[in-house]
Amino acid sequence: QTVVTQEPSLTVSPGGTVTLTCASSTGAVTSGYYPSWFQQKPGQAPRALIYNTSHKYSWTPARFSGSLLGGKAALTLSGLQPEDEAEYYCLLFYGGPWVFGGGTKLTVL
Amino acid sequence: QVTLRESGPALVKPTQTLTLTCNFSGFSLSTNGMCVSWIRQPPGKALEWLARIDWDDDKYYTSSLKSRLTISKDTSKNQVVLTMTNMDPADTATYYCARIRTAFWDYDYWGQGTLVTVSS
Repeated sequence: QTVVTQEPSLTVSPGGTVTLTCASSTGAVTSGYYPSWFQQKPGQAPRALIYNTSHKYSWTPARFSGSLLGGKAALTLSGLQPEDEAEYYCLLFYGGPWVFGGGTKLTVL
Repeated sequence: QVTLRESGPALVKPTQTLTLTCNFSGFSLSTNGMCVSWIRQPPGKALEWLARIDWDDDKYYTSSLKSRLTISKDTSKNQVVLTMTNMDPADTATYYCARIRTAFWDYDYWGQGTLVTVSS
């Protein structure tokens, strides 16, 4: 069973920068896994932020960026604001099925 | 404008079969490269990918639930249906559907989700 691993929780100060990562139990994450990132706030559906490693949507804040870092997919959030406090999920493609990571609870405090 | 909306029973009994419908608008599942996926989230837990159906009727399932899931589409009605057999309290979750575009391999639009509780 493939497992996708994220940091369970991170705490950052307002205005700070944080990088969330997404690792695959099958080995290094590459662009071929088409990493996506989603933000979910309590009581809401997930909202897409990043697709295909680093591509943004029109609604994605400019301070959010996606990349590959050290064999993992990464989501970097800079200039953090209180409204960025949320759960963040990555999603990886395994050639047919997809697998979500366990999520990172980001606290801005 | 792309929208998706999930519907189905709020409560099912253990061992029953769950049938969920995703009604969508703003795109067509007969268009090359369009797909719809189902995802679920137990209360307080992480998202779990369940299944995907493509414009050409290809279907994919998560391995852990493959024997219990069936995904289908009615292109004329703009609907995707997910059935899950032999429901268990552990299947209590909010179930979401989302659109996928294979040109970008992205999940850009999601429904608001529907909560299904499994209890006798």
